[in-house]
Amino acid sequence: GAGVSQSPRYKVAKRGQDVALRCDPISGHVSLFWYQQALGQGPEFLTYFQNEAQLDKSGLPSDRFFAERPEGSVSTLKIQRTQQEDSAVYLCASSPRLDNYGYTFGSGTRLTVV
Amino acid sequence: AQKVTQAQTEISVVEKEDVTLDCVYETRDTTYYLFWYKQPPSGELVFLIRRNSFDEQNEISGRYSWNFQKSTSSFNFTITASQVVDSAVYFCALSGATGANSKLTFGKGITLSVRP
Repeated sequence: GAGVSQSPRYKVAKRGQDVALRCDPISGHVSLFWYQQALGQGPEFLTYFQNEAQLDKSGLPSDRFFAERPEGSVSTLKIQRTQQEDSAVYLCASSPRLDNYGYTFGSGTRLTVV
Repeated sequence: AQKVTQAQTEISVVEKEDVTLDCVYETRDTTYYLFWYKQPPSGELVFLIRRNSFDEQNEISGRYSWNFQKSTSSFNFTITASQVVDSAVYFCALSGATGANSKLTFGKGITLSVRP
């Protein structure tokens, strides 16, 4: 497609459930980022992939969060044993270069943990 | 560490007024990029501008203009003759040059309400 696609658009999870959020970047984009946006806040960096290599995961809030991009295209963010504080919008962004030129965000997945 | 401060949290103006959104940043990098994004109620992040640290020229795009002042580490955004459709949350963001350093650090955002 023409843009960054994220699915599902909305996800409601019971506390303790595992969830998987998907990001389809623009074809050929080298860089892929995940961000977490809590209500009323700016997005905060979670992790960065350059092709299939996860080069920075310093923003992942706990070891319950795991991300992968095995073939250098689609990426999945997995959250195990969800907690209420995980409720947020999860944004994916991709860029065709290493210098964030052409940085494009997806519409996000809104996760609500009940 | 990089930091972006948007001291204004909410601004309300009447249509056709001019409004300036302030952004102050901190970084130790010599090469960096500054961004502004708009987030309307629908939630998507709309890209407005990307400016590198070596280009201090002010930029104008229609009713939008940006003032980059390295001396005060500021990158302010002005909307001239505001319209109701400008109502949104506006984020200023900062990044380093390449690779993992190109991740964005966002400010907390400014909620702009434009009243008819």
